Order: sequence, then structure tokens, then C-alpha cells
Amino acid sequence: DQQVKQNSPSLSVQEGRISILNCDYTNSMFDYFLWYKKYPAEGPTFLISISSIKDKNEDGRFTVFLNKSAKHLSLHIVPSQPGDSAVYFCAASVRYGGATNKLIFGTGTLLAVQP
Amino acid sequence: DGGITQSPKYLFRKEGQNVTLSCEQNLNHDAMYWYRQDPGQGLRLIYYSQIVNDFQKGDIAEGYSVSREKKESFPLTVTSAQKNPTAFYLCASSWGQGRGGYTFGSGTRLTVV
Repeated sequence: DQQVKQNSPSLSVQEGRISILNCDYTNSMFDYFLWYKKYPAEGPTFLISISSIKDKNEDGRFTVFLNKSAKHLSLHIVPSQPGDSAVYFCAASVRYGGATNKLIFGTGTLLAVQP
Repeated sequence: DGGITQSPKYLFRKEGQNVTLSCEQNLNHDAMYWYRQDPGQGLRLIYYSQIVNDFQKGDIAEGYSVSREKKESFPLTVTSAQKNPTAFYLCASSWGQGRGGYTFGSGTRLTVV
């Protein structure tokens, strides 16, 4: 049961254009969403997050949009740069075991930004 | 310079052997986690620990064991009972309930030979 889905395994965009990475979720109890970026053979690094009470959060070139009615999350990168090429994971936070939150990750989208 | 250190970076295990993956953090984080990454399956939670001497099973705990004797350390043992141990293992830590996001280590690639 995949509660967080990233249906596009890969995405290719030209440098300077917009990259849009999508994420869908099924559990309405998720209350916090995060995006992580991962290079090969390295651990993921935190990129940006959004609380379920908001619909947009912006940090420099990165903006995350949340559509709760559609249970859909997207990450926009503008303008895209070759250094943005990596795997991007969407993650959702849910209460687990009564006292803690855990992150449930999507399967990732490989972004390739072409020079 | 704070962070999480995982060692070794690459590990080879023979069939039937137990191996232990190290995870150390100097961020003074309360919570620590172990995830496993397989191609096309994202990150799946193996075990997590909120405080010293306490840990809980995640979604795929079978064949694994952990300990949390010190706040800084959360080693993962992959036992011979784990049927498909070849994977990339990631350790993470966070403040409290992890709302601020997790800090991940650089991972250990385990291969069964």
C-alpha cells in the first residue's frame, strides 16, 4: 500500500526552464510534507517543507504547492540548473506509535537538467 | 561540524552471516531512524528510536535488530534471517518528532556475496 506516490520515475528539462515534480498521497492524516534531494551513493538532504494548513511555501528557486482536496503536492524549481540533477523524494509525516511522527517516502523522481 | 556518520560505506556479507552497520550522530538529536532503499521502492523504515534504551519496529523490521545504548549511536544488525539484505541503508536523526525534517547519513551499501 503505497501511501505516497511519485508516478514519474524521471523528468528531463532544459537549463533555465521550470521543473515540476509531482507527488500524490492517500492518507488524509498526513499533516506535514517535505521534499528531499538525493545524489547517488549519498544520503538525502532536506530541501523544503510545507504544513498542511498552508497551500504554498517558497524558498529561493524552490516552491512547494499543496492541494489538499486533490491530495496532491508539487515542487517547482525555477530556473532549473544542471546542479539540480538528482533524485527528488516526496515525504509525508504521520503520527506513528502514539508518540512520534514518522516520514513516509515516495519512490522518487530522477530529474535531469540538460545544459 | 555536526552530522551523522555511517560506516562502512561499502560492506560485503557472506550468506548466513550477521553484519552490523554503524551510525553515529553529534547533533544531539533525540530520535534516530534506519531506512532501506531499493530501486523503485523509495525509502522504507526498518527501526526507529525516540530515546536511549527504547526503539520501535518500522514497516520492514523482520531480519534486523538494533540497540540504542547511547544517544549518539544507533547500530543496525542485519541478521541471517533477512532474506534479501542487499540494499542501500540510510540512518537518520531528528529533533523530537521530526517535523523539522531528518538529517541523513551518507549511507552504507550492503551486498551479499
